[in-house]
Amino acid sequence: AQKVTQAQTEISVVEKEDVTLDCVYETRDTTYYLFWYKQPPSGELVFLIRRNSFDEQNEISGRYSWNFQKSTSSFNFTITASQVVDSAVYFCALSERNTGNQFYFGTGTSLTVIP
Amino acid sequence: DVKVTQSSRYLVKRTGEKVFLECVQDMDHENMFWYRQDPGLGLRLIYFSYDVKMKEKGDIPEGYSVSREKKERFSLILESASTNQTSMYLCASSLRQGVALNTEAFFGQGTRLTVV
Repeated sequence: AQKVTQAQTEISVVEKEDVTLDCVYETRDTTYYLFWYKQPPSGELVFLIRRNSFDEQNEISGRYSWNFQKSTSSFNFTITASQVVDSAVYFCALSERNTGNQFYFGTGTSLTVIP
Repeated sequence: DVKVTQSSRYLVKRTGEKVFLECVQDMDHENMFWYRQDPGLGLRLIYFSYDVKMKEKGDIPEGYSVSREKKERFSLILESASTNQTSMYLCASSLRQGVALNTEAFFGQGTRLTVV
């Protein structure tokens, strides 16, 4: 079973629009960690954020914000006032305390920001 | 600045060749990973290693092997390359959980392998 689901395969928005990337996860562990990565066309995955299962505070970093809701097992990522440089593939990932050291990745959402 | 370095950015090999993909990290991380990335399939774990000479199979180990003789280096080996192994290969490293309560994985720039 897929532990991390990113239902949106591709999204296109016009520059300056807001966009939300969805991530739904599945785990039986009570302690787990969630991540978002960005993969620009150059190919290297860039770490954006980490969240612990016991910290449900939402986080904002500039134009980026993350909404973590344990009740719906979701960890959504919103980009406000999108820019062309935001065009990339975005991955959500899960790491569980009980399964130790593995990272489970979603299939990614390809975001295109049109100028 | 933390670094995970993969030996090649692009590689073209012939069917049946033995192929070595090398990965080096300078962060003294215990864990190292090899993923394969294909369109629509995301990142799939091939193998990971949590210590020198230790390895565990991931989701798609068939046709691959790995070697970790030193902590900083993790090699992926395609014993006999086939065209269905044409893909993007990504190496990553992280601290071991328990050493740090939570830790992200750091990735290399990727190796785009074409098998002809």
